[in-house]
Amino acid sequence: DQQVKQNSPSLSVQEGRISILNCDYTNSMFDYFLWYKKYPAEGPTFLISISSIKDKNEDGRFTVFLNKSAKHLSLHIVPSQPGDSAVYFCAASPPTPLVFGKGTRLSVIA
Amino acid sequence: DVKVTQSSRYLVKRTGEKVFLECVQDMDHENMFWYRQDPGLGLRLIYFSYDVKMKEKGDIPEGYSVSREKKERFSLILESASTNQTSMYLCASLLGSALPDYGYTFGSGTRLTVV
Repeated sequence: DQQVKQNSPSLSVQEGRISILNCDYTNSMFDYFLWYKKYPAEGPTFLISISSIKDKNEDGRFTVFLNKSAKHLSLHIVPSQPGDSAVYFCAASPPTPLVFGKGTRLSVIA
Repeated sequence: DVKVTQSSRYLVKRTGEKVFLECVQDMDHENMFWYRQDPGLGLRLIYFSYDVKMKEKGDIPEGYSVSREKKERFSLILESASTNQTSMYLCASLLGSALPDYGYTFGSGTRLTVV
């Protein structure tokens, strides 16, 4: 039973446009959410997070939006760059260990 | 910065071999985790440990065991490697029970191929 779902396995976006990656969750006890980025042959690196007391968190080109009533969050990347091409994982807490989604592979086309 | 080091980036092992994957962190973190990453399946938790000599099963512990004799080191053991254990293995660590803003610190991963 997947508690964190990333329903789009892949996404292609043109360079300079907006990338929107989505994540849905089922457990209403989750109160902290993170996005990780992973390149091939490397470990995931932290990208951005959001607490359930907020509905938006921004860091440079990256913004995460949280809609608690819909149990949905999204990661916006504007403008998208070729270096953003990677697999993006959504994760939720509590508990520890984190609960991860299956990931979305983003391809940014020059 | 916390560093999580996985001893091998790439490994090729034969079916039936006993395989040891090593992970070391340098910041006195209590919690350590082993995941495997497979296309379309995401990150799946194999085992984790909250302290020395303590271990907990994750979602997919079958075929694996772990050892945590020292706080800084968490080893994943494949008792008898099989081809379906070909995967990217990721180690992570976490200081305490409270999750920091950035979550876990991950190692660079070990790409294991079982032939």
